[in-house]
Amino acid sequence: NAGVTQTPKFQVLKTGQSMTLQCAQDMNHNSMYWYRQDPGMGLRLIYYSASEGTTDKGEVPNGYNVSRLNKREFSLRLESAAPSQTSVYFCASRSTIATNEKLFFGSGTQLSVL
Amino acid sequence: KNEVEQSPQNLTAQEGEFITINCSYSVGISALHWLQQHPGGGIVSLFMLSSGKKKHGRLIATINIQEKHSSLHITASHPRDSAVYICAVSSGSARQLTFGSGTQLTVLP
Repeated sequence: NAGVTQTPKFQVLKTGQSMTLQCAQDMNHNSMYWYRQDPGMGLRLIYYSASEGTTDKGEVPNGYNVSRLNKREFSLRLESAAPSQTSVYFCASRSTIATNEKLFFGSGTQLSVL
Repeated sequence: KNEVEQSPQNLTAQEGEFITINCSYSVGISALHWLQQHPGGGIVSLFMLSSGKKKHGRLIATINIQEKHSSLHITASHPRDSAVYICAVSSGSARQLTFGSGTQLTVLP
């Protein structure tokens, strides 16, 4: 049982390059999330997916796209990277059983855009 | 939008001390989470609370729904407890998870 698997762990891009961050969970969770974490700030929601086939914008969606192709996988794409997207990115999933809601996080991706 | 405030932002303690980290939120919630982020960056869930109190080892988490406040206590602190502790609140819908900015805890030997 691997939990939430997120790749890559590190990435350096040049301005204008594109990349996709991959995330997969094996816990049969409906809800999945992409967050970014910047120094001195709390985790900020980029996009979320309440269930397979649905996605919605979060607090900071500009410059990103997502895909939820199946229940396991939720990917985040940067089409044209900008220095402002330098951050640490976390994928997460949430079990939503009312009495036992729990959050699970991937190990994070440290992204630098030069 | 729920506002989540944590205090203190930074906390340095001596090994063995009793530690309290506080979290306040502005709007009613369905659940509150305490998370731990180690220097390596990984985030793990410590507790989910919707009422009352939970204990796991040396960690105790309490919540007061009426006062919109939660505390995380660490008894007999140890250097390995050094980490960032993050409070997050959930309104129950898939979208609504709001995070505090975290409390950096350093426990000195």
